[in-house]
Amino acid sequence: EPEVTQTPSHQVTQMGQEVILRCVPISNHLYFYWYRQILGQKVEFLVSFYNNEISEKSEIFDDQFSVERPDGSNFTLKIRSTKLEDSAMYFCASSERTGRGTDTQYFGPGTRLTVL
Amino acid sequence: EDKVVQSPLSLVVHEGDTVTLNCSYEVTNFRSLLWYKQEKKAPTFLFMLTSSGIEKKSGRLSSILDKKELFSILNITATQTGDSAVYLCAVEAMVIYNQGGKLIFGQGTELSVKP
Repeated sequence: EPEVTQTPSHQVTQMGQEVILRCVPISNHLYFYWYRQILGQKVEFLVSFYNNEISEKSEIFDDQFSVERPDGSNFTLKIRSTKLEDSAMYFCASSERTGRGTDTQYFGPGTRLTVL
Repeated sequence: EDKVVQSPLSLVVHEGDTVTLNCSYEVTNFRSLLWYKQEKKAPTFLFMLTSSGIEKKSGRLSSILDKKELFSILNITATQTGDSAVYLCAVEAMVIYNQGGKLIFGQGTELSVKP
């Protein structure tokens, strides 16, 4: 069964460093998302991406964050200058565009980001 | 502000018990409600509900949505230790018609099934 994959599974970085989290969505999916989950808290929406542009972003997704689809398979989340509070599990998700208006989002296994 | 509230936050039962997990929501531009199971890492999809009163079933799990009262329940019958997980309720909010919407998650219900 097709699945969303993410690398790395765990990333440790120093405050102020740039990180890039990578995702490979399910191959026929056209919508891509990033969510994060701070330890012990809810899963929170960051950004959605369709047709090579951002569809929607949350207040969390400030100028330090960016997303890109550099080729036909990868979808990346970049944090330019990490802060301690960026430590969280980051989930990538993808969904089809069936035209019926409701599409299930399938999640990857996540990247645990630890900022020291 | 959009919100999704789940109850209870945690639940301990014994194998064979039946459990009911609750999810209420207040979300502008509701499109669908989804249930996910989260064990160690990724939320894995269980159900998507869009219409009121139509029960979705998968084995021992079932779910139903009430769009008038703005809630959903997830039932698990004859629980097994493998059902132990966090169950997440999420509501998809539509931004633009026919395009992917963001998911707004509840806090989750942590279910522990004892042998």
